[in-house]
Amino acid sequence: KAGVTQTPRYLIKTRGQQVTLSCSPISGHRSVSWYQQTPGQGLQFLFEYFSETQRNKGNFPGRFSGRQFSNSRSEMNVSTLELGDSALYLCASSPWGGENTEAFFGQGTRLTVV
Amino acid sequence: AQKVTQAQTEISVVEKEDVTLDCVYETRDTTYYLFWYKQPPSGELVFLIRRNSFDEQNEISGRYSWNFQKSTSSFNFTITASQVVDSAVYFCAPRGGSNYKLTFGKGTLLTVNP
Repeated sequence: KAGVTQTPRYLIKTRGQQVTLSCSPISGHRSVSWYQQTPGQGLQFLFEYFSETQRNKGNFPGRFSGRQFSNSRSEMNVSTLELGDSALYLCASSPWGGENTEAFFGQGTRLTVV
Repeated sequence: AQKVTQAQTEISVVEKEDVTLDCVYETRDTTYYLFWYKQPPSGELVFLIRRNSFDEQNEISGRYSWNFQKSTSSFNFTITASQVVDSAVYFCAPRGGSNYKLTFGKGTLLTVNP
């Protein structure tokens, strides 16, 4: 069974640009979550989607958005990039995202904003 | 408010030593689940174990064991006979209620020296 796939693995963008990251969950998983990891703030929750609906959102500005498609694949978008957006963005999938279900993570997309 | 504390920032051991990683989760929730993840230098978060808040029985799986003390909200994770490949950052991440997110601790960097 294939794991969680995130593309691209590495990305370099310029301040002010926008970026779209993609996540393909494990087959059959309907919940997809996104996390940002930085040395200063650690791992922080961005948002969670289930059946194309956002069920929860973390404390991030509106420049961060996401969506989920009918095949459970998810994308997150960051507009008007800032230097502080440089981070490892991790996607996780789980069958339904409930509190007792483990989440399986992809290898992440490392975004560098210059 | 919920608070996850991994007091140990870094631990260094010599191969074959046992090592225990500490995690304290303060919450008003009476039922929750706690997950341990390992993050090797490659960046991917690898799921290790899941524990619930209503079962204080210690468990062992291979070289891993863990115990939960409800009175102190303390989840401890032990690696027996550590190996160099165990070198990674270890995160505990509770999830409770219906907010669908994992709340990560700051992580503990474990270095196992040959």
